[in-house]
Amino acid sequence: KAGVTQTPRYLIKTRGQQVTLSCSPISGHRSVSWYQQTPGQGLQFLFEYFSETQRNKGNFPGRFSGRQFSNSRSEMNVSTLELGDSALYLCASSLGGVTNGYTFGSGTRLTVV
Amino acid sequence: TQLLEQSPQFLSIQEGENLTVYCNSSSVFSSLQWYRQEPGEGPVLLVTVVTGGEVKKLKRLTFQFGDARKDSSLHITAAQPGDTGLYLCAGAQSGGSNYKLTFGKGTLLTVNP
Repeated sequence: KAGVTQTPRYLIKTRGQQVTLSCSPISGHRSVSWYQQTPGQGLQFLFEYFSETQRNKGNFPGRFSGRQFSNSRSEMNVSTLELGDSALYLCASSLGGVTNGYTFGSGTRLTVV
Repeated sequence: TQLLEQSPQFLSIQEGENLTVYCNSSSVFSSLQWYRQEPGEGPVLLVTVVTGGEVKKLKRLTFQFGDARKDSSLHITAAQPGDTGLYLCAGAQSGGSNYKLTFGKGTLLTVNP
């Protein structure tokens, strides 16, 4: 079956702009989580959605937001981009239980200049 | 303070050697998962351990979950260059709406031929 698809793979934006990243989970997976990965901080949890509801949110400013659609596809938005937002943004889907592993996409590499 | 501490942070060994990576926390987890990530890609799930004291083997990889479900280890026997990558442990916690997977910063393993 198809894996988790993230688009775009690479993105270059200017400070102050906004960006929307997309994630299509594995068919049947209702949970989608987003992570920011940087060399210094590792994978930092952004938020998790399950059946269109945000179940949990990490410690990121309100500039970071997300949503999930009825077909489980998810988007995350970052407004007023800062240089420090440059990172690999990873999306992961799962069946949703604590014993179910995550399947990650290949990520979106965002560079803010 | 990192919820999950991984050690060592970096490991460079010769082909054929054995190694152990540790993942420690003061928190109890419902499950502990191990992932391997290669450059430019998302992490790939290796194993999920759920029961305290559980040991799982995946070819040359042996995973153990501590009795108190606070720590875990990954042992690789006769490492090969193909084992090179970033190894991440992740703990799952759930409490009503608080489900999330928290990652350690990872162990970067290099196996030299």
